[in-house]
Amino acid sequence: AQKITQTQPGMFVQEKEAVTLDCTYDTSDQSYGLFWYKQPSSGEMIFLIYQGSYDEQNATEGRYSLNFQKARKSANLVISASQLGDSAMYFCAMREGLGGATNKLIFGTGTLLAVQP
Amino acid sequence: KAGVTQTPRYLIKTRGQQVTLSCSPISGHRSVSWYQQTPGQGLQFLFEYFSETQRNKGNFPGRFSGRQFSNSRSEMNVSTLELGDSALYLCASSGRDTGGYNSPLHFGNGTRLTVT
Repeated sequence: AQKITQTQPGMFVQEKEAVTLDCTYDTSDQSYGLFWYKQPSSGEMIFLIYQGSYDEQNATEGRYSLNFQKARKSANLVISASQLGDSAMYFCAMREGLGGATNKLIFGTGTLLAVQP
Repeated sequence: KAGVTQTPRYLIKTRGQQVTLSCSPISGHRSVSWYQQTPGQGLQFLFEYFSETQRNKGNFPGRFSGRQFSNSRSEMNVSTLELGDSALYLCASSGRDTGGYNSPLHFGNGTRLTVT
């Protein structure tokens, strides 16, 4: 069964510094998608970045980049130049299923990031 | 383009009652899925609807049910509420009909249900 592991329950980072949030996954599927979401204290889930299992390059979206190491089954999120507004819970997730014919996501337990001024 | 809209934002119910939550997906999205978030169990998949049909279901008791209307709006219902049903319920929609791997789920703000 698919599984997402986030081993960092909480992290601190100084404003303007970069931070890496870890995510490892387990799946027997050859085709899968990995996502990162941000959840502020308000509760909404905000999509940040996506990485496909066949994508040759690491995904980037503004200050967010994904360090994808397929052989190690890791998909770490890198946030550059942290801002106070980045303080939130961050979830790594994987889309399950064959051929993508489902929108069921398997989530990790999340990492609570606190950005300090 | 309006995002995913969930109503109500907050609900307080008593054990044994039932509750209905509503979700309007992003315009044009045909897939709607529901998730339950609790401090103890984290984010868990409830079910997914596509074109008014349940496409996938998580491991929840039959008290949890849902449906989708022809306009893609979805409702979920929880009957005979238990204290453990207190949670944030999140709805998400996706724009790719087959849920292709490069299409993200867009979530609503959630409905926070408290069962007393």
